[in-house]
Amino acid sequence: AQSVTQPDIHITVSEGASLELRCNYSYGATPYLFWYVQSPGQGLQLLLKYFSGDTLVQGIKGFEAEFKRSQSSFNLRKPSVHWSDAAEYFCAVGPRSNDYKLSFGAGTTVTVRA
Amino acid sequence: DARVTQTPRHKVTEMGQEVTMRCQPILGHNTVFWYRQTMMQGLELLAYFRNRAPLDDSGMPKDRFSAEMPDATLATLKIQPSEPRDSAVYFCASDPGRSFYNEQFFGPGTRLTVL
Repeated sequence: AQSVTQPDIHITVSEGASLELRCNYSYGATPYLFWYVQSPGQGLQLLLKYFSGDTLVQGIKGFEAEFKRSQSSFNLRKPSVHWSDAAEYFCAVGPRSNDYKLSFGAGTTVTVRA
Repeated sequence: DARVTQTPRHKVTEMGQEVTMRCQPILGHNTVFWYRQTMMQGLELLAYFRNRAPLDDSGMPKDRFSAEMPDATLATLKIQPSEPRDSAVYFCASDPGRSFYNEQFFGPGTRLTVL
C-alpha cells in the first residue's frame, strides 16, 4: 500500500537555527515527490518537487530537499529559519503515470521561537 | 497575480441543509481538484476533473456529495444533506495540466461547520 510518513508532528526551532523535516514513503516504485507549506488560514503552496536527476532539489523561500532512494526518504531542510517559516509542512507523493492524484503526509507543524 | 478563488470562505449550517462550495480555477488551468482537510484524517482527495470531465471521485461519499464543473471557470462541490462529520476545510486546487505533475495551486479553502 502507498503511504507517506512524516514522523514529527511538531517541531520547535529557534530563529536562525537550521531546520530539517523528515518524510518517508512506501511505494511500489520511486514516485514523484513534493513538499508543500501551509500558513495559518491559507491554502497549500508548493515549496519544491523532485521528478528525476539531481537528488538535491532547491525550492522557494530558501528550502532544499534531498531524495535518498535507499532510505525512501525526501527530507526538507533550511539552513537558517525565519519567523515567517512558522507553518505546517506537508510531504506528498504521486505515481509516475497518467494519474494526477497526490497522497499527502499528516504534516509537521513548525513553531519558530525568537 | 493569478489565484484560485473559493467562495464562501466560511460556512456555518445546520445538519440536513444543502451546502454548495464554489471554486474558480486559474484561467487556462484544465485540471481541478477538491480536497478535504480535517485534524483526524489530514488532507484527502475527494475528486478531480480534467477538461471539465470527472477523472476520479472515488474519495467522495457518493450518497451525499457531488462535484461538477458547469464550465471551465467554475467548479462546485455540493453536500446534501450535510452532517456534522462533514465539518472540515475544503480546498480547491488547479493545475495547468500540460504534463504530469506540474504544480497544484491551492485556493484559500472553505471552512465548513455543520451543527
